[in-house]
Amino acid sequence: ETGVTQTPRHLVMGMTNKKSLKCEQHLGHNAMYWYKQSAKKPLELMFVYSLEERVENNSVPSRFSPECPNSSHLFLHLHTLQPEDSALYLCASSQVGFGRGDIQYFGAGTRLSVL
Amino acid sequence: SQQGEEDPQALSIQEGENATMNCSYKTSINNLQWYRQNSGRGLVHLILIRSNEREKHSGRLRVTLDTSKKSSSLLITASRAADTASYFCATGGGSQGNLIFGKGTKLSVKP
Repeated sequence: ETGVTQTPRHLVMGMTNKKSLKCEQHLGHNAMYWYKQSAKKPLELMFVYSLEERVENNSVPSRFSPECPNSSHLFLHLHTLQPEDSALYLCASSQVGFGRGDIQYFGAGTRLSVL
Repeated sequence: SQQGEEDPQALSIQEGENATMNCSYKTSINNLQWYRQNSGRGLVHLILIRSNEREKHSGRLRVTLDTSKKSSSLLITASRAADTASYFCATGGGSQGNLIFGKGTKLSVKP
């Protein structure tokens, strides 16, 4: 148990569906991240939230929409996805600053399949 | 953009043997971290080495860092079947705690 919980663990959706991924961290951290992990590709950073403000958006298509209502919760809203969006989506949190070295704590991920 | 790149991509050894994985990176760093990922799960932080350190130990793990060669190695001694996983290096130092991960080394330890 890393202190970062992701739900659901598995999700199958059609290309016209709208769904949301949820991430919750119980570590009191001030930054949260969404990553995409596809087969045979490096982990891709999608979004960064620091103190509840989005500070990075790595050219992610608009069909992915993040939301960070408070420092403990992070959502990834999905709509009109493509089959190539099928991947493992990982959430992470960290305590940025104060010389902590940016260690990130990851959830178990949501395995997304787009049909 | 990809920063760390692990080598080899896959490694298969017998229980009890040592496993060595290497990581090369491209730009200046503040620190380098190693993470482990069991199949289909999240990543777990193993060890962090700062740019002014050359070697660090944690249990059966030994990490070295050579900033002149922009490379790091992770040694797992006396490997166990439970060490079977993918191992990633990640470089950090961004103001928002951003990490850039390599593609990973898939380690298989046979009993």
